[in-house]
Amino acid sequence: NAGVMQNPRHLVRRRGQEARLRCSPMKGHSHVYWYRQLPEEGLKFMVYLQKENIIDESGMPKERFSAEFPKEGPSILRIQQVVRGDSAAYFCASSPPGQGWGGTQYFGPGTRLLVL
Amino acid sequence: DAKTTQPTSMDCAEGRAANLPCNHSTISGNEYVYWYRQIHSQGPQYIIHGLKNNETNEMASLIITEDRKSSTLILPHATLRDTAVYYCIVRANSGAGSYQLTFGKGTKLSVIP
Repeated sequence: NAGVMQNPRHLVRRRGQEARLRCSPMKGHSHVYWYRQLPEEGLKFMVYLQKENIIDESGMPKERFSAEFPKEGPSILRIQQVVRGDSAAYFCASSPPGQGWGGTQYFGPGTRLLVL
Repeated sequence: DAKTTQPTSMDCAEGRAANLPCNHSTISGNEYVYWYRQIHSQGPQYIIHGLKNNETNEMASLIITEDRKSSTLILPHATLRDTAVYYCIVRANSGAGSYQLTFGKGTKLSVIP
């Protein structure tokens, strides 16, 4: 049973480019969460999605960031016009249906984004 | 979610029990205590959670005081692979925002050969 998968594991972008981070939840999981970890800091919640719905994006920066979880395919975290301050590790987590409100979250290995 | 307080760092000799404390004196009746850990450069890993009874699984034991204001995570026989940052998180299992995990600074556990 594969765990949460994220790709790419490492991503290098120049300022102004777009970054697309992908997350495939564990099989049978319909809840996806994105977190960001800045260097030497703890993880910060960004967004919570269910299939085709954004449930809570209160942790997302107001501009340049967007997330989706389509009916088919992985969840995508998109960062437009990246800046150096976007350099961080981005982690995706998933949980099974019926536990979105309080079940255990299973994390992927993360995508390390470096903006030059 | 209730605020938690953990020591910044701890050392433990390999093979000995590691006891990681967490203070959550403002915990509410519907809030659970969760423990996650993050091994360097990896995603966080769920360890255990509990409400008021002590819990044990294949990874660890969780001891929650009777007044629920503090808890202790116990790794019975620490190995070098247990070196990680351990996060104690208190969260409700229902209600708006309860799905968010709020990670503090955690305790950096170093297991020493």
